[in-house]
Amino acid sequence: DVKVTQSSRYLVKRTGEKVFLECVQDMDHENMFWYRQDPGLGLRLIYFSYDVKMKEKGDIPEGYSVSREKKERFSLILESASTNQTSMYLCATRANPNTGELFFGEGSRLTVL
Amino acid sequence: QKEVEQNSGPLSVPEGAIASLNCTYSDRGSQSFFWYRQYSGKSPELIMSIYSNGDKEDGRFTAQLNKASQYVSLLIRDSQPSDSATYLCAVRHSGAGSYQLTFGKGTKLSVIP
Repeated sequence: DVKVTQSSRYLVKRTGEKVFLECVQDMDHENMFWYRQDPGLGLRLIYFSYDVKMKEKGDIPEGYSVSREKKERFSLILESASTNQTSMYLCATRANPNTGELFFGEGSRLTVL
Repeated sequence: QKEVEQNSGPLSVPEGAIASLNCTYSDRGSQSFFWYRQYSGKSPELIMSIYSNGDKEDGRFTAQLNKASQYVSLLIRDSQPSDSATYLCAVRHSGAGSYQLTFGKGTKLSVIP
């Protein structure tokens, strides 16, 4: 089974803090994704990565950056957290680039005060 | 803008009935279609994928695809209370951006015992 592990299930941070959300997968998948999920807005893509050291902006990259130094690890960084970044953050990997199905981690619920 | 539309619900069905969940999409060239189930407070899990017109059955679940009508549906037979969840439709589009999935906002299903 695919295992996608997000380092923190729940985080509470203060406005202006730098926040790191980490995601690790154990299946050697090349593609990894970060989404956020908000009530009424659904799942929105923040960033994704085709491969190590490669990254592409998704639909809502503003206020976020990412890092992928190793194939198994994809980090989402909030340089200066703001209250509107309070959300559920979901990491996903893609098993087969030809078909597209994603496998999600358990999610990280971030609250910014 | 490539869109995926779902009725947000809630959809309530009695236990043992058939639940029918619907999804329409805007990109006629879309090739891959997925249904995810998301329990409250949990991350989405893939339950069905479909790539060609017609029906695909897996246990109590049947996915139906009609590319001409740009319509995909999920039928759940013999609905159980454990099927109560939000169901997300996801579409992999054609052309630029085909590496991404676009998600609908989900339909909340309640199965009444």
